[in-house]
Amino acid sequence: DTGVSQDPRHKITKRGQNVTFRCDPISEHNRLYWYRQTLGQGPEFLTYFQNEAQLEKSRLLSDRFSAERPKGSFSTLEIQRTEQGDSAMYLCASSYGGGTEAFFGQGTRLTVV
Amino acid sequence: AQSVTQPDIHITVSEGASLELRCNYSYGATPYLFWYVQSPGQGLQLLLKYFSGDTLVQGIKGFEAEFKRSQSSFNLRKPSVHWSDAAEYFCAVGKDYKLSFGAGTTVTVRA
Repeated sequence: DTGVSQDPRHKITKRGQNVTFRCDPISEHNRLYWYRQTLGQGPEFLTYFQNEAQLEKSRLLSDRFSAERPKGSFSTLEIQRTEQGDSAMYLCASSYGGGTEAFFGQGTRLTVV
Repeated sequence: AQSVTQPDIHITVSEGASLELRCNYSYGATPYLFWYVQSPGQGLQLLLKYFSGDTLVQGIKGFEAEFKRSQSSFNLRKPSVHWSDAAEYFCAVGKDYKLSFGAGTTVTVRA
């Protein structure tokens, strides 16, 4: 297993466009998390899945954001009508079972111009 | 609400010298505590974690951390720093399924 993988690694988009990111977790992990990290800050929790169920969404996740995890495997995070404030590193992490040790992917860096 | 404070934004240390990174947390119960390291343009790598038991925790790359409940601290230490330790370090607290991170400490290693 090569760990958590995210695609693309970098994305530059114009303001108002929609973007979609993909995360492939470690195969036996049933929990998947999305975080956002802005420059000079630590990651902030966005949302969490257990298998295919989205169990919690942070208030940071506005209506323009939607995340899915069909079949409990990979996950996608879509941002509609991007704004410059959406520019950040989007990190995906996965874990197994009831512990909170999460393994992170390398992230997708989004730049909105 | 849970929160993490890393008082030092930036630390410069000479190669071979010791390193200590401070972390204070606020949490209503016994927390799970973590230290992660992030190299430029990379994701986060777990250095060590504390769930319960021995308050001195050993991690990868020669790092260790000590949990002090009375001080609400979980400081990270390394006896002898290598140039490859230059990175950003994040302390995190979590329960159940999500982590709250501090703002990070950037470590610069000088020759």
